[in-house]
Amino acid sequence: EPEVTQTPSHQVTQMGQEVILRCVPISNHLYFYWYRQILGQKVEFLVSFYNNEISEKSEIFDDQFSVERPDGSNFTLKIRSTKLEDSAMYFCASSVSSHWDRGNYEQYFGPGTRLTVT
Amino acid sequence: AQSVTQPDIHITVSEGASLELRCNYSYGATPYLFWYVQSPGQGLQLLLKYFSGDTLVQGIKGFEAEFKRSQSSFNLRKPSVHWSDAAEYFCAVGNNYGQNFVFGPGTRLSVLP
Repeated sequence: EPEVTQTPSHQVTQMGQEVILRCVPISNHLYFYWYRQILGQKVEFLVSFYNNEISEKSEIFDDQFSVERPDGSNFTLKIRSTKLEDSAMYFCASSVSSHWDRGNYEQYFGPGTRLTVT
Repeated sequence: AQSVTQPDIHITVSEGASLELRCNYSYGATPYLFWYVQSPGQGLQLLLKYFSGDTLVQGIKGFEAEFKRSQSSFNLRKPSVHWSDAAEYFCAVGNNYGQNFVFGPGTRLSVLP
């Protein structure tokens, strides 16, 4: 069964450094998402991406965050200057379709990248 | 804006016992509702979903959930729990106007042998 993959599984970085989290969505999916889960808290939406542009973003997704689909398979989340509070599990997800197509709206999640900022 | 609550932070059941995990949502129109499970160190796996139609939906691993509009609830049930069901369970709601899912805080399920 096709699945969303994410690399690395764990990233440790120093405060102020840039990090890039990588995701390979399911191949026929058109919508891509990033969520994060701070330890012990709920999963929070960051951004959605379609047709090579951001379609929605939350208030968490400020100027230090960016997303890109550099080629036909990868989807990346870049954090420009990491802060301690960016430490979290970051989940990538993808879906065939969007909210207007109820039958294909479910989002499939990757295993996550645990980001630790020291 | 939509929101999701899961009143139970942690539930412990014995193996073989029945299970019900509660989920309440706040949303004006008919929501999209989902249950995901997260095993330790793993990602989020979709258990089941509700879009419309039959209010009792069947999912994987023997789980089912019932949508009750009058109670704004989408509770997850399983008749007989297995030790491998120990995990964190998240209820989520999507909406008609946007692409983001809103997740509840999760319920951690422990299973006693």
